[in-house]
Amino acid sequence: DAKTTQPPSMDCAEGRAANLPCNHSTISGNEYVYWYRQIHSQGPQYIIHGLKNNETNEMASLIITEDRKSSTLILPHATLRDTAVYYCIVRVAGDSNEKLTFGTGTRLTIIP
Amino acid sequence: EPEVTQTPSHQVTQMGQEVILRCVPISNHLYFYWYRQILGQKVEFLVSFYNNEISEKSEIFDDQFSVERPDGSNFTLKIRSTKLEDSAMYFCASKAGGGTEAFFGQGTRLTVV
Repeated sequence: DAKTTQPPSMDCAEGRAANLPCNHSTISGNEYVYWYRQIHSQGPQYIIHGLKNNETNEMASLIITEDRKSSTLILPHATLRDTAVYYCIVRVAGDSNEKLTFGTGTRLTIIP
Repeated sequence: EPEVTQTPSHQVTQMGQEVILRCVPISNHLYFYWYRQILGQKVEFLVSFYNNEISEKSEIFDDQFSVERPDGSNFTLKIRSTKLEDSAMYFCASKAGGGTEAFFGQGTRLTVV
C-alpha cells in the first residue's frame, strides 16, 4: 500500500521552477523520503533523498516540512527534458536491502 | 559515469518458451534487484539478491522465475515458461549498500506472443 500521495499530473512552463508536492503523513522517524523519476518508460532515475533537513544537489532541491508529513521536490529551471513521471517514496534508513515501492507518481509535463 | 547495463533491449518470445534477461550491475555494488512494469502500470518489485541468495521476493516471483549471479559480474532473470501476461519492461537495479541510492538499467522490453 502506498505510503505517499502525489497529484497525478502537473504542468510547468519551460524555464520556471517546478514544485512537486508529496504527502507522507504516516512517515516514521526512521524513514527517508526518496525521489525518483522515469522518463518515457526508461529505467527510474534517482534524484534526491532526505530525512528531515532540506537537501540540494545538481538536479533538484528537496524541502521537507518540520513535521515531516509532506515534502516538495523543486526543479529550479525546468527544461523539456524534465518531462517525466516523478515518484516520491519513503523507505527505512539503514535497511540496506529494502526494495523501492513505486506508486503512480506525478506526471510532470514541461510546456515550451 | 558507471551504469547498469541490460541486454537485450527488446526480446520477443513465444508463449511457453524460456527467456533469460541479462544485467551487468555497477561493479562495486552488492545489492541487486529486478523490477517489472507492465505497460501503463506501476513499477513493481520482483526480487532482491544479496550475498548470492534471494533476500526478498514478491508474490509475482513464483516458481517460473529464477535469478542467478553466475560469474560475479552478470545478474540474470530467467522465466522458465513464459505467459502472455509476462509481457512487460523488466528493469535491473543495483546499489552499493545501506543508505545509498539504487541505479536502474534502461530495461528489457519482453513481448510474449
